[in-house]
Amino acid sequence: KNQVEQSPQSLIILEGKNCTLQCNYTVSPFSNLRWYKQDTGRGPVSLTIMTFSENTKSNGRYTATLDADTKQSSLHITASQLSDSASYICVAHYGNNRLAFGKGNQVVVIP
Amino acid sequence: EPEVTQTPSHQVTQMGQEVILRCVPISNHLYFYWYRQILGQKVEFLVSFYNNEISEKSEIFDDQFSVERPDGSNFTLKIRSTKLEDSAMYFCASRRGLGTDTQYFGPGTRLTVL
Repeated sequence: KNQVEQSPQSLIILEGKNCTLQCNYTVSPFSNLRWYKQDTGRGPVSLTIMTFSENTKSNGRYTATLDADTKQSSLHITASQLSDSASYICVAHYGNNRLAFGKGNQVVVIP
Repeated sequence: EPEVTQTPSHQVTQMGQEVILRCVPISNHLYFYWYRQILGQKVEFLVSFYNNEISEKSEIFDDQFSVERPDGSNFTLKIRSTKLEDSAMYFCASRRGLGTDTQYFGPGTRLTVL
């Protein structure tokens, strides 16, 4: 079954601290993996994309990793800001044009 | 920066009524999608559309749903007879190509079925 699982479901962090979000996927055939940020009531916005051969990708304070052997990915947020409060969704692309969405990691940054 | 737009932002309807959700994808994009997200749940794929026809659809996309691209800019999702369980956020998305091309999401339409 093509699916994506994320952990933790939610977390609260202090402004300025780092955090790491985890994603496990089981899709076939794997194409690429993306992390999206979804603010409350808005559509998801792409943060990073990684293909099978890429291990890490950065976008500002966001760094994603991918281990295609274990089918795991992580998103690291450095020096968190209040505006980082959002749901972070791991999405695995597979086949020609299919996507499997995780449920999201709900991050709340507090001052 | 070009973006996907959706109207209305919020639609309230009575059960059994027809609704049409509208989307304007990014102008040079060729692939179009509809997703839904029930409150507190994950985003779910509904349908993809390319070259004026459906290319894939999920098991959610039954005979009550249809999509159209009536002109060169709009992409619509119609629900013929809404049910309570159709209440959700509906997101439209578009992308220029396949592979690593990014899929851009619209802001969503919140559909509430009473």
